[in-house]
Amino acid sequence: AQKITQTQPGMFVQEKEAVTLDCTYDTSDPSYGLFWYKQPSSGEMIFLIYQGSYDQQNATEGRYSLNFQKARKSANLVISASQLGDSAMYFCAMREVGSSASKIIFGSGTRLSIRP
Amino acid sequence: NAGVMQNPRHLVRRRGQEARLRCSPMKGHSHVYWYRQLPEEGLKFMVYLQKENIIDESGMPKERFSAEFPKEGPSILRIQQVVRGDSAAYFCASSPLGTSGTGANVLTFGAGSRLTVL
Repeated sequence: AQKITQTQPGMFVQEKEAVTLDCTYDTSDPSYGLFWYKQPSSGEMIFLIYQGSYDQQNATEGRYSLNFQKARKSANLVISASQLGDSAMYFCAMREVGSSASKIIFGSGTRLSIRP
Repeated sequence: NAGVMQNPRHLVRRRGQEARLRCSPMKGHSHVYWYRQLPEEGLKFMVYLQKENIIDESGMPKERFSAEFPKEGPSILRIQQVVRGDSAAYFCASSPLGTSGTGANVLTFGAGSRLTVL
């Protein structure tokens, strides 16, 4: 069965510093996708970045990058040059590619707080 | 190009009443997913639907909860005889039809419906 684990309930980071949010996963499916979503205090879910299990390179989207270590089954999110607006909950998620649109499961989240 | 529309945004019900939450997916999306989020917790999968079909309801409680996605109109998540433990944020997400099995099928979320049971 698929599982997502986020071991950091909360983190405090100084503005402009880089931050790494941890995510490990477990699946027996060789084909899967990994996602990160951001949930600010307003409550909406915002897609940040995607990594496919067969992608050769780590995904990057602006200040976001995904440190994908397949052998260790980890998919950490790295935010460079953090900003006050980065303060939010961050969720790691995974889909096993058994069908074209199977469900995505989420981790428990990490609450990131950026200090000015 | 409107995103995923959920309504109502906030709903208050007394114990024993019914709650109906509606979700209109993004234009061109025919896959709908419902998730529940308790305070300070992650999103728990409830059900995945396509038009007129329930594909995966493995996360739905066995009683009182039902979901539909009719040929016309929004998807509905229905909770009968609500109890205080049903108080949560309910998120709907959609994805497009015909996406290949690459996994890069990003879910677009609505703003959520927050149910409070008194």
